[in-house]
Amino acid sequence: GNSVTQMEGPVTLSEEAFLTINCTYTATGYPSLFWYVQYPGEGLQLLLKATKADDKGSNKGFEATYRKETTSFHLEKGSVQVSDSAVYFCALKGSARQLTFGSGTQLTVLP
Amino acid sequence: KAGVTQTPRYLIKTRGQQVTLSCSPISGHRSVSWYQQTPGQGLQFLFEYFSETQRNKGNFPGRFSGRQFSNSRSEMNVSTLELGDSALYLCASSLFPDRITDTQYFGPGTRLTVL
Repeated sequence: GNSVTQMEGPVTLSEEAFLTINCTYTATGYPSLFWYVQYPGEGLQLLLKATKADDKGSNKGFEATYRKETTSFHLEKGSVQVSDSAVYFCALKGSARQLTFGSGTQLTVLP
Repeated sequence: KAGVTQTPRYLIKTRGQQVTLSCSPISGHRSVSWYQQTPGQGLQFLFEYFSETQRNKGNFPGRFSGRQFSNSRSEMNVSTLELGDSALYLCASSLFPDRITDTQYFGPGTRLTVL
């Protein structure tokens, strides 16, 4: 079946530092890949998505590239802000209609 | 366009009781999916409804059930509550659930605490 393996957290960075959160997946066929973000006390917000190999999803300074050869979809941001502190989830959608999520990575950005 | 709404936002129940949670999807979305989020198990799929029919169900006991109405609003019910049912229950709606490229949009969740 499908699975998503996500970088263990928590991750603590200083403001303006570079962020990478690793995500690898196992799936049959050609899934779509997503990053969702969850702020304290809230639901999941879509951050970005990519639907085919070599696609790059981007939003609010975050980027992730769909790498089929390495089955990866790593999240990056060049300069994090305190307001980026949240939990980040990598997810995939394959031929089944539900999303399969990684375990989540807690990010804390210190001023 | 209004997002996915869930009511209530918080619930406190005792063991053995039952609970009903409600979800209103984004206007025009006919697919509603439910997920359970716990610190130990993470995000797990419960079930998906489309046009009032349950099409997909996760690995949860029969105490977890749901339904969808003709206006696409959905409810989920948990009977005979157990302490382990304490969780954040998230609802998501989407427009083209059969497409791999489809995006699910989530509501704020209902926080259920079972005492």
